[in-house]
Amino acid sequence: NAGVMQNPRHLVRRRGQEARLRCSPMKGHSHVYWYRQLPEEGLKFMVYLQKENIIDESGMPKERFSAEFPKEGPSILRIQQVVRGDSAAYFCASSPPAGRAATEQYFGPGTRLTVT
Amino acid sequence: KQEVTQIPAALSVPEGENLVLNCSFTDSAIYNLQWFRQDPGKGLTSLLLIQSSQREQTSGRLNASLDKSSGRSTLYIAASQPGDSATYLCAVSNDYKLSFGAGTTVTVRA
Repeated sequence: NAGVMQNPRHLVRRRGQEARLRCSPMKGHSHVYWYRQLPEEGLKFMVYLQKENIIDESGMPKERFSAEFPKEGPSILRIQQVVRGDSAAYFCASSPPAGRAATEQYFGPGTRLTVT
Repeated sequence: KQEVTQIPAALSVPEGENLVLNCSFTDSAIYNLQWFRQDPGKGLTSLLLIQSSQREQTSGRLNASLDKSSGRSTLYIAASQPGDSATYLCAVSNDYKLSFGAGTTVTVRA
């Protein structure tokens, strides 16, 4: 059973470009979470998605950031018009459906975004 | 808002010594607590998951305790090895969100 997959592992973008980060959850998992780890800071929750639904995006910056988890295909975290402050490691996690009770989240290897 | 604190921020010990890592959290209404390991430039590896109804979990040389009422967890690593050098993260779950501490960076000297 393959783990959570993220690609690309490293992404370099110039200021003003768009960044697309992909996450394929573990087989059988329908819940996806995105977290961001800024340099010298802890991981912070960004968004929680189920298939075709955004459940909680309270940790997402209000502008330029969006996330989706379509019926088919991976979850996408999209950052438009990137700025240097977006440089960070972005981690995706997945969990099986478990109602409101929290279950263990399994993390992917992360995408390290560098904005030049 | 859940606040998670890990003490100490860094720890250096000689090989063979036992490690004690501390985690505290402000909101005791948690579902579970996870300990992770993160190597430089890498992802997170889950070490132990303690459900809110449990007091401790053990896996090999690792043992984690949870005192929900006082908002504390401790990770013990017995007989440390150089391969244990990494950053250890504590994360608590209030429903689906994980709130992370800043981590304890451990160096085990050979």
